[in-house]
Amino acid sequence: GNSVTQMEGPVTLSEEAFLTINCTYTATGYPSLFWYVQYPGEGLQLLLKATKADDKGSNKGFEATYRKETTSFHLEKGSVQVSDSAVYFCALRNTGGFKTIFGAGTRLFVKA
Amino acid sequence: GAGVSQSPSNKVTEKGKDVELRCDPISGHTALYWYRQRLGQGLEFLIYFQGNSAPDKSGLPSDRFSAERTGESVSTLTIQRTQQEDSAVYLCASSPRTGAQETQYFGPGTRLLVL
Repeated sequence: GNSVTQMEGPVTLSEEAFLTINCTYTATGYPSLFWYVQYPGEGLQLLLKATKADDKGSNKGFEATYRKETTSFHLEKGSVQVSDSAVYFCALRNTGGFKTIFGAGTRLFVKA
Repeated sequence: GAGVSQSPSNKVTEKGKDVELRCDPISGHTALYWYRQRLGQGLEFLIYFQGNSAPDKSGLPSDRFSAERTGESVSTLTIQRTQQEDSAVYLCASSPRTGAQETQYFGPGTRLLVL
C-alpha cells in the first residue's frame, strides 16, 4: 500500500541555518508529492508540489525534488527564518486516486 | 475569495453525546474531504465526496461516524455516542476537482474534546 515516512521532530535551528526535512514514500503507481505547512493557529496550506519524477517544487525559498530512484521528496531551505516555525507534512496522492496519504508531520522551531 | 470554513472552531462534549461538525467548502469545488488529526499525529483520512457520486467512506473508523453533503455545498460530519478517543482536530478540505495533481485547500479545523 501507499505510505509516507518523514523524519521525527522537533527540529530546532538557529535563524539562517540550512534546513532539511527528510521524506520517503512507498507507492504502487506514479504519485504526485506534496509538502503542506501548518503555521501556529492556522490551517494546513500547500507549500509546494511535484507531479512527476525529477520535478522540483519550490515556494518561499523552500525546495523539494521528486526522486523516483530513492523514493524521496526531501524538503530543503538554505536559510530559515523565525517565521518558518511550523509543522511540515509530506504527502502523496497516487495516479487516479483521491486519497492523500500524509506523513506524521515534523515540527520546526527556529530561534532568533 | 473565501476559503474553507468550519464550525464550531472548538467543541467540548461529554462522553456519550452526539456532535455535529460543519464544513463550508470553497464555492465551485466539487471534491470535499474530511480528516482527523490526533495530537502529535498525521492526518487520518475519513471520507471523500465528489460531486453527486457515492461518497467513499472507507476511512470512517466506526459506524458511530457518518457524513453528508448536499450537492457541492455544505458537509456535516456527525459522531454519535462520542468516546474519549474521538478527541482530535477534525479537518475539512476541498479541491476544484479530483485528480492526483489537485491541491487541497484546508479549513482551520474543529477541535473536539470529549470528557
